[in-house]
Amino acid sequence: DAKTTQPNSMESNEEEPVHLPCNHSTISGTDYIHWYRQLPSQGPEYVIHGLTSNVNNRMASLAIAEDRKSSTLILHRATLRDAAVYYCILSGYNFNKFYFGSGTKLNVKP
Amino acid sequence: EAGVAQSPRYKIIEKRQSVAFWCNPISGHATLYWYQQILGQGPKLLIQFQNNGVVDDSQLPKDRFSAERLKGVDSTLKIQPAKLEDSAVYLCASSLVMGTPLSEKLFFGSGTQLSVL
Repeated sequence: DAKTTQPNSMESNEEEPVHLPCNHSTISGTDYIHWYRQLPSQGPEYVIHGLTSNVNNRMASLAIAEDRKSSTLILHRATLRDAAVYYCILSGYNFNKFYFGSGTKLNVKP
Repeated sequence: EAGVAQSPRYKIIEKRQSVAFWCNPISGHATLYWYQQILGQGPKLLIQFQNNGVVDDSQLPKDRFSAERLKGVDSTLKIQPAKLEDSAVYLCASSLVMGTPLSEKLFFGSGTQLSVL
């Protein structure tokens, strides 16, 4: 199964952009790249996902490398409410094998 | 829209006892997932259902864990007998339909926190 590698933790200042990296060198051609985040004492929540092209939504942007072996989640202006664990996940076409790794804990400083 | 409902919210049991968790997914969601999250770790997929069929249970410890999804709606996860290392948060998630990946997302419940003493 394709694996992802993320830094254990990152720190950001409030109202500044945050770039969260994810390496997935063994990704297959049909794997989707997903990002979820988990706030303390809550279940994970969807952030964004994509296949090959960069994606934008109201929460974040997803930049996917041309060879798809890495991706970056971009929070354009971090707020204190964005402090959470961010997970980068690969899944098959049918969203099977939706396996979480250990994620990146983001700390946002006021 | 109502979210994924799980109960109970908390459960404390002695080792070797049995316990069951219940999940009601979002209405119309065909796919249901159960995850185990040990403190400080990412969620671990235990089992994935599509309707009432099992898609993936490769990481389910089948000697003590079982799950069912009768009628393709609600689901129950059972542990019998429980061990100390089963202490974790058990999360349920659902998604609408498999096969439309660009519009898909998983919705998670708040989880059941299990403490095994």
